[in-house]
Amino acid sequence: DAGVIQSPRHEVTEMGQEVTLRCKPISGHDYLFWYRQTMMRGLELLIYFNNNVPIDDSGMPEDRFSAKMPNASFSTLKIQPSEPRDSAVYFCASSLGTGAYYEQYFGPGTRLTVT
Amino acid sequence: KQEVTQIPAALSVPEGENLVLNCSFTDSAIYNLQWFRQDPGKGLTSLLLIQSSQREQTSGRLNASLDKSSGRSTLYIAASQPGDSATYLCAVRGSGNTGKLIFGQGTTLQVKP
Repeated sequence: DAGVIQSPRHEVTEMGQEVTLRCKPISGHDYLFWYRQTMMRGLELLIYFNNNVPIDDSGMPEDRFSAKMPNASFSTLKIQPSEPRDSAVYFCASSLGTGAYYEQYFGPGTRLTVT
Repeated sequence: KQEVTQIPAALSVPEGENLVLNCSFTDSAIYNLQWFRQDPGKGLTSLLLIQSSQREQTSGRLNASLDKSSGRSTLYIAASQPGDSATYLCAVRGSGNTGKLIFGQGTTLQVKP
C-alpha cells in the first residue's frame, strides 16, 4: 500500500487567500484524522472522521477552518481566509479502527506558510 | 485533561550506547500508548503500540514499557546507531472510544558516530 498521501507537500500563500489541503487515507481505513504541528503547541488533533462522518471537531481553531470527507478515499482541510498564525505542518492520518490495538498511520504532511 | 510530558527534550549520545526515553501522562485511563519517530521535515513513523492491558512491546532493538498506574512509559533503544537520530514522540489515546491521540513534545535524539 502507498500509505497516507497528502498534497501539496509545501504551500506558500499570502494572508487572506484560501488554502486547501488534501488527503488520501490508506485503503480500507475507516478513520481519518487531521493534525497540526507547530513549535509552540506541538501536535494537536483538529478533527477526525469515521466512515466519512465528522466525529470530533473540537480541535478546529475557528470558523475559518473546515474539513470534508466526500468519500472514503478523499478528505480536504480548507482555511479561508488564511492568516500568518496558520503557518504549520498539517498531517493527515488514518486507522482501521479506534480500538486499543489500532495504530494511526501518518502521511508526510503539508508544510503551510502564510505570509 | 490529559497531558503528556517527555523528558529530556534533547539527548546526545555516542554510538553504541543503550538509552532510555521517558514519557509520562497525567490520566491513567488510557486505551493505548504509541511511540513514533519523526525525521526532520518528514511525517511520523509508528514504532510501537502498547495496549492498556500490556506491559511492554518489542521490535528489533526497541523495547517500550508501560506502567499505567504510575502514568509512565519508556522507550529503550539498544546499541544506538547514527541512523537512530530523530525526534521520538509518544502519544496516548484516552479511554471512551475516542480516536484522539494526545502527544508529548518529543525528545530529539542525536547519536554521534
